[in-house]
Amino acid sequence: NAGVTQTPKFRILKIGQSMTLQCTQDMNHNYMYWYRQDPGMGLKLIYYSVGAGITDKGEVPNGYNVSRSTTEDFPLRLELAAPSQTSVYFCASSYANMGSYEQYFGPGTRLTVT
Amino acid sequence: DQQVKQNSPSLSVQEGRISILNCDYTNSMFDYFLWYKKYPAEGPTFLISISSIKDKNEDGRFTVFLNKSAKHLSLHIVPSQPGDSAVYFCAATPTSGNTGKLIFGQGTTLQVKP
Repeated sequence: NAGVTQTPKFRILKIGQSMTLQCTQDMNHNYMYWYRQDPGMGLKLIYYSVGAGITDKGEVPNGYNVSRSTTEDFPLRLELAAPSQTSVYFCASSYANMGSYEQYFGPGTRLTVT
Repeated sequence: DQQVKQNSPSLSVQEGRISILNCDYTNSMFDYFLWYKKYPAEGPTFLISISSIKDKNEDGRFTVFLNKSAKHLSLHIVPSQPGDSAVYFCAATPTSGNTGKLIFGQGTTLQVKP
């Protein structure tokens, strides 16, 4: 199993550009999450999904959009990139409804907006 | 509103000694707690967890203690090894609501000196 994979690993965007961060998991997990981590800070939840076709906002959703058309994929869309979106983005998945709440994380995407 | 706090940004210990990482939470609804370990340029990896029905959980060199009345948990690593040098995050979730959302602390950087 590859677990949770994320692409790209690094990206530099200009202000106002858009991009999609890709996330795929092969563990058949029903729950998926997007976090951002700023320097010296913990992980902040951007969006999450409890199953295909169901998404909801986390703590810091502004400037982002998500979709979940399949169990495996959970892309994160940045529209009109801003310097405040410079961060490391992590995707995670879990079987949260099986009495176990561990989330499995991808390796991250480091995004710089200049 | 920081619901999960790790007040020590860093900790340095000698190899073979005990490392104690601390975490405080404010939300009484949290009833499941996790510790994650993160190496540079990698995603967080799950280390150990504890449910609020327990006050201690052990896994090899790692033990997590939960004091519900004080809303405090700690991670003990005995004996500490240089490979344990990493950033450690505590996280908490309310199992009711069934979203699996985790709230993370800011992290503590552990350095284990040979």
